Amino acid sequence: QKEVEQDPGPLSVPEGAIVSLNCTYSNSAFQYFMWYRQYSRKGPELLMYTYSSGNKEDGRFTAQVDKSSKYISLFIRDSQPSDSATYLCAMAKGAQKLVFGQGTRLTINP
Amino acid sequence: DAGVIQSPRHEVTEMGQEVTLRCKPISGHDYLFWYRQTMMRGLELLIYFNNNVPIDDSGMPEDRFSAKMPNASFSTLKIQPSEPRDSAVYFCASSAAETQYFGPGTRLLVL
Repeated sequence: QKEVEQDPGPLSVPEGAIVSLNCTYSNSAFQYFMWYRQYSRKGPELLMYTYSSGNKEDGRFTAQVDKSSKYISLFIRDSQPSDSATYLCAMAKGAQKLVFGQGTRLTINP
Repeated sequence: DAGVIQSPRHEVTEMGQEVTLRCKPISGHDYLFWYRQTMMRGLELLIYFNNNVPIDDSGMPEDRFSAKMPNASFSTLKIQPSEPRDSAVYFCASSAAETQYFGPGTRLLVL
């Protein structure tokens, strides 16, 4: 069993829809939870970062961490075609040694 | 800042050849990471350095892979000899805190 599980998709939704992306994990020692966005043929870039449990909001993006269920989510409101990318969850015990999910490929259709 | 710089951007080589990938981290960052990304295995951490010292190389697949960081502004990942299963995109990233900044990657194809 992988330490971090993420549905690779692909996921296709219409513009303006709310998108929900999720990851589950098995290592209860993880304390740092991140979401990276990767455009085609580019390196990943950090989108959201959460330490321990709770919610964090940044514009149209909301990250949630439920440590009791070992489950993290990323919500995108009012999705735009420019949000089309692969979204990778990542987590770590210390902040440096990240373990990534497989990535979910998302397409927002105009 | 120019961001993390990697070279070459693309590399095609034949099985058995030596491959050297290069990385220049963002100035002032004290952590440097090497990752490999494939469709099958996703993004995997190979090795990371702190202040030029290797901290964790448990992700390095085998002895054919080696990485060095001779100074704060340069690192190399070497594969010798290369094999077709090494074909992947190799990313270098650097950080000063929790946020890792990734370079554009090197696409390696071993024939």
